[in-house]
Amino acid sequence: DSGVTQTPKHLITATGQRVTLRCSPRSGDLSVYWYQQSLDQGLQFLIQYYNGEERAKGNILERFSAQQFPDLHSELNLSSLELGDSALYFCASSVPLAGGPPDTQYFGPGTRLTVL
Amino acid sequence: GIQVEQSPPDLILQEGANSTLRCNFSDSVNNLQWFHQNPWGQLINLFYIPSGTKQNGRLSATTVATERYSLLYISSSQTTDSGVYFCAVKETSGSRLTFGEGTQLTVNP
Repeated sequence: DSGVTQTPKHLITATGQRVTLRCSPRSGDLSVYWYQQSLDQGLQFLIQYYNGEERAKGNILERFSAQQFPDLHSELNLSSLELGDSALYFCASSVPLAGGPPDTQYFGPGTRLTVL
Repeated sequence: GIQVEQSPPDLILQEGANSTLRCNFSDSVNNLQWFHQNPWGQLINLFYIPSGTKQNGRLSATTVATERYSLLYISSSQTTDSGVYFCAVKETSGSRLTFGEGTQLTVNP
């Protein structure tokens, strides 16, 4: 158990819909990262938040958005869903308040999104 | 951006065999992690190893940062070692992890 939690574990929805994925980082971690794993693109970085602020952006579509709340949990919002958005979405966290390797990213169990 | 290449792409072993997985990267890094993705999709941290050598039970890893490669050794493999092994690196100028395409390992009883 990495200490990172994600909900829901599975999500099945239809094209055109909007969903929200939730992530709680490890206790004390300030950074949250979102990654997408699809069959054709592999594991790709989407976006990073650090202590509530956007820190880095990767290959994230305009239909996708994220935020990190004051309690450090994060949500990834996916809208106008397309078949190609079906993937495993991972959240990771890092940067503990004190101690530990600062750069190690710990991954949650993922949310498997299926768009029909 | 940085390129990460893993080899071999596929590996089939008999239980008890040893194996070496390789990760080459194209630029300087300050973070390198090895992960095991099990058949249920979970990404499990194996090593944080930007340089040097570490061992954890039957697994060990070595990163030679100056030559831009890392090796993951699996000894006395077990069927539970099956899955995909990913190498991921972080460039010195960034915060994201860039993943290789993985090595699919199958250990047969």
